[in-house]
Amino acid sequence: AQSVTQPDIHITVSEGASLELRCNYSYGATPYLFWYVQSPGQGLQLLLKYFSGDTLVQGIKGFEAEFKRSQSSFNLRKPSVHWSDAAEYFCALSGTYKYIFGTGTRLKVLA
Amino acid sequence: DAMVIQNPRYQVTQFGKPVTLSCSQTLNHNVMYWYQQKSSQAPKLLFHYYDKDFNNEADTPDNFQSRRPNTSFCFLDIRSPGLGDAAMYLCATSRDVSTDTQYFGPGTRLTVL
Repeated sequence: AQSVTQPDIHITVSEGASLELRCNYSYGATPYLFWYVQSPGQGLQLLLKYFSGDTLVQGIKGFEAEFKRSQSSFNLRKPSVHWSDAAEYFCALSGTYKYIFGTGTRLKVLA
Repeated sequence: DAMVIQNPRYQVTQFGKPVTLSCSQTLNHNVMYWYQQKSSQAPKLLFHYYDKDFNNEADTPDNFQSRRPNTSFCFLDIRSPGLGDAAMYLCATSRDVSTDTQYFGPGTRLTVL
């Protein structure tokens, strides 16, 4: 079965602290994986994607993600969070013809 | 800049009154998608067009229809909106289905009174 799990519904971090958002997937073939960010009332903005090759992927806004096949994970990281990073983050897997989304992680940033 | 545009950004309609949401793209992508997103949930795919070929999700209510008159434009028609149809509607595009990156518009927030 194809699925994406984001175990953390809410995460709160202090501004300047490091961040890791978890994403686990289940897929029978080589996965194509994405992280999107959604600010309140806005559409989804692509942060980064993994298709193949280097397992450490760099994205926009200082984010990176690491693909670990052995753990079926694609966790998103940022070394120092800014207040403007407060948003909802979605991990997605490209399936046969459509995306399979995780349920999202809402990030709150404390000043 | 190439982009996905949705109009209007906010739409208010009355219960049962038909409404149309618009999406346009300058990316020249073959595929256009419509998603429904309710509060604190992931987007749910309603249907997509690959060029002129319409592909409906099995669980999309008949109340939702779509039109794609040309490559650039795609419309979402809700024939008789109910209170449960209040949501954010997202349009997305990609060059191809399967594995390709989807680019999303800013969304239309639909309120049903």
